[in-house]
Amino acid sequence: GAGVSQSPRYKVAKRGQDVALRCDPISGHVSLFWYQQALGQGPEFLTYFQNEAQLDKSGLPSDRFFAERPEGSVSTLKIQRTQQEDSAVYLCASSLVGGAGTGELFFGEGSRLTVL
Amino acid sequence: AQSVTQPDIHITVSEGASLELRCNYSYGATPYLFWYVQSPGQGLQLLLKYFSGDTLVQGIKGFEAEFKRSQSSFNLRKPSVHWSDAAEYFCAVGTTSGTYKYIFGTGTRLKVLA
Repeated sequence: GAGVSQSPRYKVAKRGQDVALRCDPISGHVSLFWYQQALGQGPEFLTYFQNEAQLDKSGLPSDRFFAERPEGSVSTLKIQRTQQEDSAVYLCASSLVGGAGTGELFFGEGSRLTVL
Repeated sequence: AQSVTQPDIHITVSEGASLELRCNYSYGATPYLFWYVQSPGQGLQLLLKYFSGDTLVQGIKGFEAEFKRSQSSFNLRKPSVHWSDAAEYFCAVGTTSGTYKYIFGTGTRLKVLA
């Protein structure tokens, strides 16, 4: 596609529900990142994929968070048993290059999750 | 530990005035530095980046930034601000060893007065 696409744009969940957030990166981009952006804060790193391999998941805040990119393109971030502190905008970004942080990141518009 | 500090949470300037947004980083190796802009409800867009070479880099929309190793800074500047520049600006460092990530500052929200 022309850009990084994320869905849904807005999600309201009741506490304890499971949610799935989808990211469709730019075609051919090797790297894919998930970030969490709380209100008034900068993006916080969650996880990184190089193709289908999840090379870094050190930023996932708990084992309720899970991400996958099974075919090296579309990625899904899943949050189980959502809590109020999970409320944030979840940003997906892709980059043409793999490896170290040298390439330009292309961001989606984000998925805003509100947990009631 | 790697970190990025943007000391100014909010900045207000008049249209046509000059602008400087501050960014300081902490990173043990050669940094790869970026400035991104985020308009309300939008994703982040790259303004400019520094990898090596000339320490003054030019970006889109008339922005420039200067890398100063001695000060661990990468400040963003624009000679004359336009009302459409009102947005949030994020400085970021890309790691070049170990884990693969970009570390962002907390952002500076720019307000432009007509």
